[in-house]
Parts: sequence; C-alpha cells; structure tokens
Amino acid sequence: ILNVEQSPQSLHVQEGDSTNFTCSFPSSNFYALHWYRWETAKSPEALFVMTLNGDEKKKGRISATLNTKEGYSYLYIKGSQPEDSATYLCASLNAGNNRKLIWGLGTSLAVNP
Amino acid sequence: ETGVTQSPTHLIKTRGQQVTLRCSSQSGHNTVSWYQQALGQGPQFIFQYYREEENGRGNFPPRFSGLQFPNYSSELNVNALELDDSALYLCASSRDGPLDTQYFGPGTRLTVL
Repeated sequence: ILNVEQSPQSLHVQEGDSTNFTCSFPSSNFYALHWYRWETAKSPEALFVMTLNGDEKKKGRISATLNTKEGYSYLYIKGSQPEDSATYLCASLNAGNNRKLIWGLGTSLAVNP
Repeated sequence: ETGVTQSPTHLIKTRGQQVTLRCSSQSGHNTVSWYQQALGQGPQFIFQYYREEENGRGNFPPRFSGLQFPNYSSELNVNALELDDSALYLCASSRDGPLDTQYFGPGTRLTVL
C-alpha cells in the first residue's frame, strides 16, 4: 500500500470494554510509526513512536504493537474510560519519503459511560 | 500543554487575500512541521523546516510558503487564498525531524469566504 490506512473509521464502546484498532502502512523502506491521540478542542498528543519490528509499547491502559514486515500496527485500549474518547491517528515515516510523515485519517473512538 | 503556540487562533479571510500564520516551537526544538487538516480529513503535511531551511514538502502549490527564524519559530504564508484553503492549520515542533515525537500547537482555524 502507498497510503496509511486506519480501521475502523469510528468505534462506539461501553465503559470498561477493551478495544483495538489497526493502522496499515507501506512496509517497504520503513523507518518509524507514530501514534497520536487527538481529543476535541485540544492538540494532538503523542502516544508512541515505534521503529523495531515486533516492538510493543505501553502507556497506562494503552498499548501498541508493530509488524514492519507486513506493514501494520495495532493499538489496544484496556478497560476503556469516557476520557479515552478521541480520534487516534497513526503516521508512517518511510526512508526516501522526503522526511515527511504520511498520516492516516484516524479512528474516532467514543466511550459511553 | 506542549509549549508550542500558534497565532492567531481563528482567522477569516476572503478569496484572493494573503494570510500569515505563526508558530513558536518548544524550547530546544529545531524542527517545525506544518499541517493542514480539512474537515473530515487526516492531517496533510505541508512542509518542514529544519534549522531555518525547508527540509521536506508535501503536495501543496507554491503559494504555500514558509519561513523559520533563528529562534526556530516559524511562519506559514498562503497567497491568493481559495475557498478550499479553509481548514485547521497545525504546526508541530520536534527536536530533530520526523523520527522524534512531534509536539503540536493548538492550531489556527482559517475560514476563507
């Protein structure tokens, strides 16, 4: 794939549910993958920058995995809370891409209390 | 708070006018990237400045131009505004380019009438 794709586009879960979503990115000449959380009326906030195949990162109840050979990353949220409601964006950096991050359109998560 | 500031927060212009948006990067960061986010879209990379030089550019026409100053603050200039330029413009600073976490400002909402 040439673009960064995220799925699903939107997700509604109940408080306490665990959830996950996917970021697919070009696997050739992979350099790094970024995950950001963007809450309404706030700036995007960095979650993870991942570079190594098989890498797994964790921040509280949020974790992410990376498969650079097949070009995907999963973001997991354990025990979703209403404050997790946000758009989750991923961006891929591939060598030779003129140092620019290619962004997905995001997954919009709504957690109902 | 990321320490990245943008001004103005909102702006209304008419077609054909010119606009300058400003961004102050976080202390210690020498790289500033600018993004355009139209309604319903992911962020689109406009360009990046590293130590006062343009260091990567997305698919935007030449009427989008920029500057980075010795203190690493930055400007985005858009000439001959078009209706489709209406969007949220975000800047992000990082220590050294797209491998590093990017810290976003709150954005400038530009409306072109």
